[in-house]
Amino acid sequence: EAGVTQSPTHLIKTRGQQATLRCSPISGHTSVYWYQQALGLGLQFLLWYDEGEERNRGNFPPRFSGRQFPNYSSELNVNALELEDSALYLCASSEEGRVNEKLFFGSGTQLSVL
Amino acid sequence: GQSLEQPSEVTAVEGAIVQINCTYQTSGFYGLSWYQQHDGGAPTFLSYNALDGLEETGRFSSFLSRSDSYGYLLLQELQMKDSASYFCAVRDHGSGNTGKLIFGQGTTLQVKP
Repeated sequence: EAGVTQSPTHLIKTRGQQATLRCSPISGHTSVYWYQQALGLGLQFLLWYDEGEERNRGNFPPRFSGRQFPNYSSELNVNALELEDSALYLCASSEEGRVNEKLFFGSGTQLSVL
Repeated sequence: GQSLEQPSEVTAVEGAIVQINCTYQTSGFYGLSWYQQHDGGAPTFLSYNALDGLEETGRFSSFLSRSDSYGYLLLQELQMKDSASYFCAVRDHGSGNTGKLIFGQGTTLQVKP
């Protein structure tokens, strides 16, 4: 069974550009979570999607947005990139939208903003 | 609000036992999870405690005391491959019933020969 897949693995952008990160959850999983992990830091919650709806959002500016498609894959968009957006962006999926403690993570997209 | 506190670094030798503590402050507590992340890799789920007490899974055990808002991850018979970052996590229910999983800052475990 395939795990959570993310693309691209690495992404290099310059300040002011836009970045699009993609995530495919494990087959059968309807919830997708996005986390930001800056170098040496913990995982900061970004967004949670379930059944195509945004269920919750972390303390990030509106230029961080995303969506979930009918096949439950998800996209994270970051507009007007800033240097501090450089981080590992992790996507995770779980089996259902309600309280579920076991998340399955992808290997992440390393975003570098120059 | 919610917060989790865990030590930033722990060092131990191969074959030893190490305990990684986590204290939390959150509303609507359901349970405490632990994740392992090797350098540059994907975090992987280790354990979940909803009730007080010790849960054992092979060399790893996890403990929870709800009255003390405290838990720990116990790693026995340490191996070099256990060198990684370990995160505790709780579900935050501050916004209705659409909770999100909040992670601590992580504890970097270095196992030395």
